[in-house]
Amino acid sequence: AQSVTQLGSHVSVSEGALVLLRCNYSSSVPPYLFWYVQYPNQGLQLLLKYTSAATLVKGINGFEAEFKKSETSFHLTKPSAHMSDAAEYFCAVSDQGSSYKLIFGSGTRLLVRP
Amino acid sequence: NAGVMQNPRHLVRRRGQEARLRCSPMKGHSHVYWYRQLPEEGLKFMVYLQKENIIDESGMPKERFSAEFPKEGPSILRIQQVVRGDSAAYFCASSPPYSGSVLGEQYFGPGTRLTVT
Repeated sequence: AQSVTQLGSHVSVSEGALVLLRCNYSSSVPPYLFWYVQYPNQGLQLLLKYTSAATLVKGINGFEAEFKKSETSFHLTKPSAHMSDAAEYFCAVSDQGSSYKLIFGSGTRLLVRP
Repeated sequence: NAGVMQNPRHLVRRRGQEARLRCSPMKGHSHVYWYRQLPEEGLKFMVYLQKENIIDESGMPKERFSAEFPKEGPSILRIQQVVRGDSAAYFCASSPPYSGSVLGEQYFGPGTRLTVT
């Protein structure tokens, strides 16, 4: 069965520092990949998605992610963290057989220190 | 353009009662998906509905859970005879026909947090 692994349930960075949130997936064929952000008491907001076009995907709020097939990874980065980036981030992959079915990782909570 | 609406946002039920969770999709969206998020876990797919049709309910528990999306009105997720293990956040997502069902691009609501006492 497909799965998504997010390394680190909590990541803490200083304001202005690089943000790197890791995501690895298991799939025999390149899937569709997504990063969502969840602010407290809110729903999930789509940050960016990979759907087999360019491997470097740019999203909202200065985030980007690179699809690396050889490493089965889709890590999320942002050059300079802002206090408003503090939230929970979820990586998701679409199910091979039923692409409407999103399979989520367990999430990474990003803390930004002043 | 209003986003996906869910109500109530918080719901407390005693064991054995029924819980009804409502989801109004974004305007123009005819596909609805329900996900459940248990504490400290990611979201898990439950069911995919189109108007008056259940397309895939493979993630729904076999008993006590049901979902519908009538021709008029919101989608409803119904949990009968709730137990403590049903305590979770339930998220609804919606999409237009192609981008959601084929590309997996879905728009999520704020969720309903169900607490069973």
